Amino acid sequence: QKEVEQDPGPLSVPEGAIVSLNCTYSNSAFQYFMWYRQYSRKGPELLMYTYSSGNKEDGRFTAQVDKSSKYISLFIRDSQPSDSATYLCAMSAQNYGQNFVFGPGTRLSVLP
Amino acid sequence: DGGITQSPKYLFRKEGQNVTLSCEQNLNHDAMYWYRQDPGQGLRLIYYSQIVNDFQKGDIAEGYSVSREKKESFPLTVTSAQKNPTAFYLCASSIGVRGTEAFFGQGTRLTVV
Repeated sequence: QKEVEQDPGPLSVPEGAIVSLNCTYSNSAFQYFMWYRQYSRKGPELLMYTYSSGNKEDGRFTAQVDKSSKYISLFIRDSQPSDSATYLCAMSAQNYGQNFVFGPGTRLSVLP
Repeated sequence: DGGITQSPKYLFRKEGQNVTLSCEQNLNHDAMYWYRQDPGQGLRLIYYSQIVNDFQKGDIAEGYSVSREKKESFPLTVTSAQKNPTAFYLCASSIGVRGTEAFFGQGTRLTVV
């Protein structure tokens, strides 16, 4: 079993839809969780990070962490074609850059 | 503008050759990282450096080498010992060791021909 799993997609949704992107993990020690957006042939850019459990909201984006289920989610409201990208999750037990484990990413297409 | 610059964007290597990928940052960040990205796999850490003149192996360091002679620069050499070097290489940096404050460069696509 991989330490962090993501459905690779592609996930196609119509413009304006609510998108749910998810990662599952096996290491119960993880408590730092990040979501990155990566456009094709570009470097990842950090969207949000959360510590431990709970929700965090930033504009159209909401990150949720359920540590009891070892499951994290990123919701995108009112999705736009510009949201079309690959979304990576990353997580770690400690907030040391070298310790973060990345998921393989989910490719999202938002159709106009 | 502050940021991380990786060059070149695309690089072609012949079998048996060493190649060096450049990573420069003007963010005054202490820590720098090299990752490799392959289709269907998460980013994998090759090397990282927390201070000048010091660096540590990551999960997949075999066939790679780095140096950190200046704070701003962290070049990665892909040696002929790396058996499957075709990949997308990403450099990142952070002001301290906190991964939640890391920024990525735009990547270098290396292809063996």
